[in-house]
Amino acid sequence: GAVVSQHPSWVICKSGTSVKIECRSLDFQATTMFWYRQFPKQSLMLMATSNEGSKATYEQGVEKDKFLINHASLTLSTLTVTSAHPEDSSFYICSARVVSGTDTQYFGPGTRLTVL
Amino acid sequence: GEDVEQSLFLSVREGDSSVINCTYTDSSSTYLYWYKQEPGAGLQLLTYIFSNMDMKQDQRLTVLLNKKDKHLSLRIADTQTGDSAIYFCAERSTDKLIFGTGTRLQVFP
Repeated sequence: GAVVSQHPSWVICKSGTSVKIECRSLDFQATTMFWYRQFPKQSLMLMATSNEGSKATYEQGVEKDKFLINHASLTLSTLTVTSAHPEDSSFYICSARVVSGTDTQYFGPGTRLTVL
Repeated sequence: GEDVEQSLFLSVREGDSSVINCTYTDSSSTYLYWYKQEPGAGLQLLTYIFSNMDMKQDQRLTVLLNKKDKHLSLRIADTQTGDSAIYFCAERSTDKLIFGTGTRLQVFP
């Protein structure tokens, strides 16, 4: 149980295009999902908290107009990187939180974005 | 602010025990977690411990928590080559997880 998928697993795009990444909780409902960014050999940096049916909460320094988050259902959140540039190249990981005493987050496999 | 520190690298021989250490700063953390990340993959939850516990054992994994010193450790018994990965500790702070810097565990034959 508690499986989270991401699609696509990797994407290469040209500078200036927009890229959408999907995060799905496959066998549970997640009212809250999180989006992280990970640079090579570094830890995870929380970008935003996505709550179903409401606006995402962005961390300080993360441009909300650059990284659009939509959480339209209890099993799906999307991250759209708008007008991507090479500096947006990174590994993006989502997680979904199971509502329980531990509030454990389960992570997707990640999406590697390369912007040429 | 919150800060979670780990040593960057650990190398052990196959069959030995591995101990990965973590220090955190938020004394109000309710849960602390250990995650494993293999190359190019997401994070896999290994185990967690509630802040009022001192120890938790789960098969080959033993978590020790010293709340006074804000120190968390993960011991892997009988380490195998498949355990080679990056291990992250994380503390739950309010509504978010704060991750450590990650420890790269390398297991050699």
